[in-house]
Amino acid sequence: AQSVTQPDIHITVSEGASLELRCNYSYGATPYLFWYVQSPGQGLQLLLKYFSGDTLVQGIKGFEAEFKRSQSSFNLRKPSVHWSDAAEYFCAVGAGLTGGGNKLTFGTGTQLKVEL
Amino acid sequence: ETGVTQTPRHLVMGMTNKKSLKCEQHLGHNAMYWYKQSAKKPLELMFVYSLEERVENNSVPSRFSPECPNSSHLFLHLHTLQPEDSALYLCASSQDNLAGGGANVLTFGAGSRLTVL
Repeated sequence: AQSVTQPDIHITVSEGASLELRCNYSYGATPYLFWYVQSPGQGLQLLLKYFSGDTLVQGIKGFEAEFKRSQSSFNLRKPSVHWSDAAEYFCAVGAGLTGGGNKLTFGTGTQLKVEL
Repeated sequence: ETGVTQTPRHLVMGMTNKKSLKCEQHLGHNAMYWYKQSAKKPLELMFVYSLEERVENNSVPSRFSPECPNSSHLFLHLHTLQPEDSALYLCASSQDNLAGGGANVLTFGAGSRLTVL
């Protein structure tokens, strides 16, 4: 069965500083990987996804992530954080279901705080 | 309306009440999902419907009863809940594509915050 680990529960960075959120996955085949963001009182918004090809993927809001098969990692990065990036970030791995649909398995999330 | 809409946004109910959560998607997708989000725990997949057929029932107690009358609507019927069922319930939808089920991108609603007294 697939699993996702986000080792950092909370991270605090200063506005303008760089950011890296860690994600490690366990999956028996080529993984489908996702990063979602959740602002308070809201649902999850897709930031980016990796299916195949170039291991560095670009997403919305200036985020990028790099897939490293040898390390089973899919870390999220942003060169310069804005105060509006404060939110909770979730990494997920997808697996197809017999009959249709995608069984997304999520990590426990990383809460990002941005200091002004 | 666009995207995935969930109603009500907030619900408070007693343990003996019966209530329902509603989800509607305006994206033309063919799969819909219920997730439970509790504090300090990963999101838990509860139910998946594809083409209005239930394809996943993730060991959810029978006090939660899903209904998918068509590809645009999904309900979660609640009865005799427990205080530990208090959580944010998220609905999502996706469109199956040729890349495989694991590549389907889920679009989430804003959630229904449930409090069981």
